[in-house]
Amino acid sequence: DTAVSQTPKYLVTQMGNDKSIKCEQNLGHDTMYWYKQDSKKFLKIMFSYNNKELIINETVPNRFSPKSPDKAHLNLHINSLELGDSAVYFCASSLRGSYNSPLHFGNGTRLTVT
Amino acid sequence: AQKITQTQPGMFVQEKEAVTLDCTYDTSDPSYGLFWYKQPSSGEMIFLIYQGSYDQQNATEGRYSLNFQKARKSANLVISASQLGDSAMYFCAMREGAGSRLTFGEGTQLTVNP
Repeated sequence: DTAVSQTPKYLVTQMGNDKSIKCEQNLGHDTMYWYKQDSKKFLKIMFSYNNKELIINETVPNRFSPKSPDKAHLNLHINSLELGDSAVYFCASSLRGSYNSPLHFGNGTRLTVT
Repeated sequence: AQKITQTQPGMFVQEKEAVTLDCTYDTSDPSYGLFWYKQPSSGEMIFLIYQGSYDQQNATEGRYSLNFQKARKSANLVISASQLGDSAMYFCAMREGAGSRLTFGEGTQLTVNP
């Protein structure tokens, strides 16, 4: 199936731990994103990569570090997790430079920090 | 300033009736795209419909149509013949210029009553 897939779907961990979320897309897109959805359902962009190059880096604590080994993969590593990091994290992909190219989202990773 | 505004936190509609979900936007870029997404309770983000700033006609996709009023900077989603499965959170989003990111509104929770 062509899709954006991210793992794990659920992540429960304690404060202070380090965790990673993985994302892969097989849609042939050249741009990938991480979005955070808070408890009020607001979606905010965190990072974006185009062909492995970081192009968007919003005001995000440097405990969050994205890594893109190739244009089909974008991972998110979070150090020293805090309670406020609890949220749903979405990976997405699209074609850059194409106005009508929607973002295709993964199913999200629900992170709970206790 | 908010770039995307959805003023209806919640909307209710009877099954088989039509419903309009409001979205206004703010941009000085003449080139932009507007997108609507659906997020059911299962959490995935589903792309519904796209409208480009230069499109002469309102976009339609099955039961979804977009009431695009450029001078008013509004891009309202119309769902015709509502179904119970339409109950979900709906997000309006905008892409400006040649950028890749989508900026999202706060969403409208639609409930379809039998």
